[in-house]
Amino acid sequence: NAGVMQNPRHLVRRRGQEARLRCSPMKGHSHVYWYRQLPEEGLKFMVYLQKENIIDESGMPKERFSAEFPKEGPSILRIQQVVRGDSAAYFCASSPQLEGPQYFGPGTRLTVL
Amino acid sequence: AQTVTQSQPEMSVQEAETVTLSCTYDTSESDYYLFWYKQPPSRQMILVIRQEAYKQQNATENRFSVNFQKAAKSFSLKISDSQLGDAAMYFCAYRRYSNSGYALNFGKGTSLLVTP
Repeated sequence: NAGVMQNPRHLVRRRGQEARLRCSPMKGHSHVYWYRQLPEEGLKFMVYLQKENIIDESGMPKERFSAEFPKEGPSILRIQQVVRGDSAAYFCASSPQLEGPQYFGPGTRLTVL
Repeated sequence: AQTVTQSQPEMSVQEAETVTLSCTYDTSESDYYLFWYKQPPSRQMILVIRQEAYKQQNATENRFSVNFQKAAKSFSLKISDSQLGDAAMYFCAYRRYSNSGYALNFGKGTSLLVTP
């Protein structure tokens, strides 16, 4: 059973561009969480999704950030008009059920020039 | 809001020795989970051990064990017979419960150095 996949592993964008981060959960997992890790910090929760639904987006900035988890395909975290402060590692985790353990992907390191 | 505090930014241990990493948390809930994750230089987050708050028995996974003190809101990780491969960042995490999910709250981490 393949683990949680994230791509790309590294993403470089210039200020003002869009960043699209992808997360393919483990097979059979319908719960996806996105976290952001700033340098020298722990992970901070951003958003929790189930298939086709955003359940909790309390940790996500109100502007420029959006997330989706369509019926088919990976979950996408989209950051529009990136700024230098968006530079961070973005992790997704998947879970087979609401109370299940979260399994993390390898992360996407976003660098904004 | 639940907060997780790891008061040791860095710790060092000699190979084969034992080390304990500290974690305290703040919550008003009675039911919750606690976790320790390891993040090696590859940055992959690896679950080390987890503890259910309603269980009095401390969790153990091979060389890793916890000392869970619910009244004191303390959750320390003990690594026995330390190995070079244990060198990593270690994050303590609290899993809050809400009707909308089980997001993890992480501490800032402890960097563990293992010396030969």
